[in-house]
Amino acid sequence: SQTIHQWPATLVQPVGSPLSLECTVEGTSNPNLYWYRQAAGRGLQLLFYSVGIGQISSEVPQNLSASRPQDRQFILSSKKLLLSDSGFYLCAWRPPGGRETQYFGPGTRLLVL
Amino acid sequence: GNSVTQMEGPVTLSEEAFLTINCTYTATGYPSLFWYVQYPGEGLQLLLKATKADDKGSNKGFEATYRKETTSFHLEKGSVQVSDSAVYFCALTKGQAGTALIFGKGTTLSVSS
Repeated sequence: SQTIHQWPATLVQPVGSPLSLECTVEGTSNPNLYWYRQAAGRGLQLLFYSVGIGQISSEVPQNLSASRPQDRQFILSSKKLLLSDSGFYLCAWRPPGGRETQYFGPGTRLLVL
Repeated sequence: GNSVTQMEGPVTLSEEAFLTINCTYTATGYPSLFWYVQYPGEGLQLLLKATKADDKGSNKGFEATYRKETTSFHLEKGSVQVSDSAVYFCALTKGQAGTALIFGKGTTLSVSS
């Protein structure tokens, strides 16, 4: 069966520090991968998605970036965090194809102080 | 464009009450429709889905019927429990490979005993 992992689970970082969040998927090949952010009490904001190694699409302009160095690894990064980057970051995967269910990881809670 | 509209929350109910959370969509073609649930501090879990008109998705006592004539996918449960307290998201596919699901803003349900 497929599983999706995210780490760390919780992170507290000072403003201006770098960020690296990791997401890995097991039990599937060539998944579509997604990063979302959920601010407190708000809905989901799609940040990036990837349909293959090295292929990243950005949905919103921001100081975050994403990379996919391996088929089942998706990394969210920042060189300098802002207070507004605080939130709950969710990684998700989906089988290739247009109508498939999307599966979410447990999330990383980021607090920027 | 494609979009999902959910009723504004929060929804506050007593245990064993009947639940309806409205969801309507705008889409070209024939999208698949989903309901996800997010328990406090966790990622999103698929609750149910329907892939074509008149399909009924069901799980854990929850049901939703894909109504193409009214472009709706309302979530219902006959008797809610305290453990159903969570945020519920309605979503649809664009039907294009690689693209993410489109989510509504979420509806918070609070059930008291």
